Amino acid sequence: DAKTTQPPSMDCAEGRAANLPCNHSTISGNEYVYWYRQIHSQGPQYIIHGLKNNETNEMASLIITEDRKSSTLILPHATLRDTAVYYCIVRVAYSYNFNKFYFGSGTKLNVKP
Amino acid sequence: DAGITQSPRHKVTETGTPVTLRCHQTENHRYMYWYRQDPGHGLRLIHYSYGVKDTDKGEVSDGYSVSRSKTEDFLLTLESATSSQTSVYFCAISDSSTEAFFGQGTRLTVV
Repeated sequence: DAKTTQPPSMDCAEGRAANLPCNHSTISGNEYVYWYRQIHSQGPQYIIHGLKNNETNEMASLIITEDRKSSTLILPHATLRDTAVYYCIVRVAYSYNFNKFYFGSGTKLNVKP
Repeated sequence: DAGITQSPRHKVTETGTPVTLRCHQTENHRYMYWYRQDPGHGLRLIHYSYGVKDTDKGEVSDGYSVSRSKTEDFLLTLESATSSQTSVYFCAISDSSTEAFFGQGTRLTVV
């Protein structure tokens, strides 16, 4: 049960910010939001995660709404190498299911020159 | 790739034959996972392990079995391969507080 909804595809111009939305309206208070991406047929790559607060690392920023029902992954300056499928998943903390990662279908981001 | 090795990377087998895929890690992580990926379905969890000899089923476990006799190795077995099991299989590892790290995948074709 992926528990997330993402648009199937998005386009972004190279050098511009890419904003990828995710809806997780049934998220519980102890569930984290994780983002991964998969380039071509490689294994998925971890990007960022958060619980309540916005997070930023060297790859991206994660904005979580105050009610936590949705989030946005921001790639500040998209490059052609960021073309990939991006997965938003929820991960239950402090429970038996903590270490089960369930993936949905993701968003195919196409970065165009 | 966080010290994860999947073998073989590619395999073609006949329907009805047994197949074993191996995942080997050098990170000493507690949790190991097997996923399959098919067009239109994203990644689906088959089985996972939370320690030596401790395993649990995922979303699509029918037709698959797993074993973990050592921390570093997690085996996925198709007892009698079917064409519906043609897929790309990914192994992943994690620890209690970390994200999951994925291997490069095994492309299995059942003819």
